[in-house]
Amino acid sequence: GAGVSQSPRYKVAKRGQDVALRCDPISGHVSLFWYQQALGQGPEFLTYFQNEAQLDKSGLPSDRFFAERPEGSVSTLKIQRTQQEDSAVYLCASSLDFQGQNSPLHFGNGTRLTVT
Amino acid sequence: QKEVEQDPGPLSVPEGAIVSLNCTYSNSAFQYFMWYRQYSRKGPELLMYTYSSGNKEDGRFTAQVDKSSKYISLFIRDSQPSDSATYLCAMSFPGGSYIPTFGRGTSLIVHP
Repeated sequence: GAGVSQSPRYKVAKRGQDVALRCDPISGHVSLFWYQQALGQGPEFLTYFQNEAQLDKSGLPSDRFFAERPEGSVSTLKIQRTQQEDSAVYLCASSLDFQGQNSPLHFGNGTRLTVT
Repeated sequence: QKEVEQDPGPLSVPEGAIVSLNCTYSNSAFQYFMWYRQYSRKGPELLMYTYSSGNKEDGRFTAQVDKSSKYISLFIRDSQPSDSATYLCAMSFPGGSYIPTFGRGTSLIVHP
């Protein structure tokens, strides 16, 4: 595709449910990032992949959050036992170069998660 | 205190005005500086990317970096209603795997 694609665009979950958010990066992009954006705030880093390797997961807020990119392309962010504070927009971004050096991040339009 | 500080606004200006958007930061290790524009319900898109101190110009946009003051700016000349969006500054450094740290964004409204 022409850009980063995220699905679903909107997700409503009852508290305690598990959710899975999908990201299709731009073809050939090595690096993939997940960010969380709360209302009125800037994106906060969650985790980073270089191909299939998860090199940094320091931003994941709890062990309920899990991300994978098994074949180095599509990535899934999973949130178990969702809580109301998980409500946010989850942004995925990809970049061409190693570790994003001198290579801009291309963002998808995000998945808006609402936990009721 | 957050690593990157940005006034959330909103900043409201008339069409044609020069807009100045700013960020301050506390981590002197930051070496790469970016400005992203984010329209409502869309993902951020990169506007400007700079490495060194000084100015970088691209069309109506000028990015300015002052590392000694830990202060960056984005200037928009001849602002248009289509420039109405949230502007996010971001910065990164090699030791952090170049992972950008974002400010909270400034909401800009350009009225006709």
